[in-house]
Amino acid sequence: SQQGEEDPQALSIQEGENATMNCSYKTSINNLQWYRQNSGRGLVHLILIRSNEREKHSGRLRVTLDTSKKSSSLLITASRAADTASYFCATVRNAGGTSYGKLTFGQGTILTVHP
Amino acid sequence: EAGVAQSPRYKIIEKRQSVAFWCNPISGHATLYWYQQILGQGPKLLIQFQNNGVVDDSQLPKDRFSAERLKGVDSTLKIQPAKLEDSAVYLCASSYRGRGAFFGQGTRLTVV
Repeated sequence: SQQGEEDPQALSIQEGENATMNCSYKTSINNLQWYRQNSGRGLVHLILIRSNEREKHSGRLRVTLDTSKKSSSLLITASRAADTASYFCATVRNAGGTSYGKLTFGQGTILTVHP
Repeated sequence: EAGVAQSPRYKIIEKRQSVAFWCNPISGHATLYWYQQILGQGPKLLIQFQNNGVVDDSQLPKDRFSAERLKGVDSTLKIQPAKLEDSAVYLCASSYRGRGAFFGQGTRLTVV
C-alpha cells in the first residue's frame, strides 16, 4: 500500500519559476523524506524532515511538514531545466524502540521545467 | 564511498522462467530494501531487511518471490516462476540508522 499521495501528478513550469509539490499521508510518522528520480535512473535522496520539525532548507529546496494535517510540501526555488524529474515523498514509521522503519513511497509528481 | 551496486541492469525472460537479482549495499548500512517500480508509479516496497533479519515483507508475493540477505551484507531477490505483470524495474536501496536511503540503478525486467 502507498502511504503518501503527491499533488499535483504533473507540473509544468518555465525556468526561473518556483515549483511546489505537496504530499499527504495517512498514519503517524517518524520522518518524511523527498527523493528525485531522473528518467530511467535510480532515486536520489534530497532531504529528510523529522516529525518534530516544521521546516527545513537545503540549497534551493524548502520542505515543510504539518503533522496535524498529515501533509508536507517541497518547494524548489528558481527552477532550472536540470530539475526536470519525478519527485517522490516517502514516509518512515519506526518499529517500536528502533532507529529504523518501513520506508513507503507515494506515486510521485512529474516536474517539467522548460528552458 | 561506493554506491549501491545492482546486477544485472537489464533482463529479458519468458513467462514461467526464473530470474535472480543481486544487490551489494553500501558498506555499514544495516537496512536493505527491495522495491518494485512499475512504469509511471512510485516504488512499492517488497521486502526490508535489518541486518539479515526481515523487518517487513507484507507486499512480497511469497508464492513466487523470495529474498535473502546472507551475513547481513549482499542480498538476492528471486522470482520463480515469472509472470507478465512482473515486468518492472527492481530497485535495491540501503540506509544507515534511519537516515535517507541510497538507491542502486535498478534492474529492468521484461517478461515476455
